[in-house]
Amino acid sequence: QQPVQSPQAVILREGEDAVINCSSSKALYSVHWYRQKHGEAPVFLMILLKGGEQKGHEKISASFNEKKQQSSLYLTASQLSYSGTYFCGTEGYNQGGKLIFGQGTELSVKP
Amino acid sequence: DTGVSQNPRHKITKRGQNVTFRCDPISEHNRLYWYRQTLGQGPEFLTYFQNEAQLEKSRLLSDRFSAERPKGSFSTLEIQRTEQGDSAMYLCASSSTREFAYEQYFGPGTRLTVT
Repeated sequence: QQPVQSPQAVILREGEDAVINCSSSKALYSVHWYRQKHGEAPVFLMILLKGGEQKGHEKISASFNEKKQQSSLYLTASQLSYSGTYFCGTEGYNQGGKLIFGQGTELSVKP
Repeated sequence: DTGVSQNPRHKITKRGQNVTFRCDPISEHNRLYWYRQTLGQGPEFLTYFQNEAQLEKSRLLSDRFSAERPKGSFSTLEIQRTEQGDSAMYLCASSSTREFAYEQYFGPGTRLTVT
């Protein structure tokens, strides 16, 4: 039931791009993306709803393939501040907003 | 608009003691969630409230855990007879069903260490 994230870790140079994938075996109503820095709480990045609605708070984009129950987070022209662990949280239908989180993808951006 | 707050931020307790954590959600958020996170893992769902009603509790949660949300405002999470396996970060998040997409915002967490 836990979604699978890939890759588990990635190292980038500033300015490079990255894609983080999240795959579920269950039908999904929405996918939520968070970034967490060491010792801090997860910070909301993006939510994707069934039907293609997309919202976000940063210049980071994402997609949601409903048929494949997959979501991808696109980080372009990465900055040092992008470093952290990225989690996808998946919500099934009639789950009251309960999120099931993946195991995380650790992203390191080097100068 | 202030964010989600949690108290205390850190708690060290001896095995067998009871502990209680508090979460204050974003004002006017009617849903409140508790998650637990251990090192290297994503947050794990524990329970959630809509207003004052507790609507779901994880099957993984033992009877030693109880949560309340009186009057639909702040919430408390109590762990009785703590065990070393309870050591974790306890996260609270809130959201509003009045928004089209139910974005959840997390508090800073309470780190529990059971010795």
